[in-house]
Amino acid sequence: DSGVTQTPKHLITATGQRVTLRCSPRSGDLSVYWYQQSLDQGLQFLIQYYNGEERAKGNILERFSAQQFPDLHSELNLSSLELGDSALYFCASSPFGGYEQFFGPGTRLTVL
Amino acid sequence: QQQVKQSPQSLIVQKGGISIINCAYENTAFDYFPWYQQFPGKGPALLIAIRPDVSEKKEGRFTISFNKSAKQFSLHIMDSQPGDSATYFCAASLNYGQNFVFGPGTRLSVLP
Repeated sequence: DSGVTQTPKHLITATGQRVTLRCSPRSGDLSVYWYQQSLDQGLQFLIQYYNGEERAKGNILERFSAQQFPDLHSELNLSSLELGDSALYFCASSPFGGYEQFFGPGTRLTVL
Repeated sequence: QQQVKQSPQSLIVQKGGISIINCAYENTAFDYFPWYQQFPGKGPALLIAIRPDVSEKKEGRFTISFNKSAKQFSLHIMDSQPGDSATYFCAASLNYGQNFVFGPGTRLSVLP
């Protein structure tokens, strides 16, 4: 157990809908990262937050957005969902000055 | 230039054998090279990592070999066990552990 929690574990929704994925980092970790894992794209970095501020952006679509709250938990919002958004979404956290990223168990999103 | 290449895509090894997975990168600014292990239905877990000022790092049965001039690094799993059967991802990062770029993964099967 990495100490990173993600909810929900599974999410099934329809095209055009909006969903919110939640992540709680390890105690004391200030950085949160979001990744998308699909069969054909592998693990893709989406976005990073550090202590509430956006720090880095990867291959994140404009339909997706994220935020990190004062208690350091983070939410990833996915809107106008398409079939191709079906994937595993992982959150990871790391401590200040740390190289390691600790991954949560992921949320499996299925868009029908 | 941000890509990390990984081979083979899949690997079958007999119990007790050596598993070798190779990765290559182009961006000489990468400063941290971790390997992650992922079991089905779980998030990736950090296995071992190396920085470019070191040519080899060993932790138990797992060894990273790093060739800076060739821009290649590899994971060796000695005395492979059926419990090692998982997908392995190499990665490279910029800026001290941020902005991870993952390889496409290698599915390892260790036969009993």
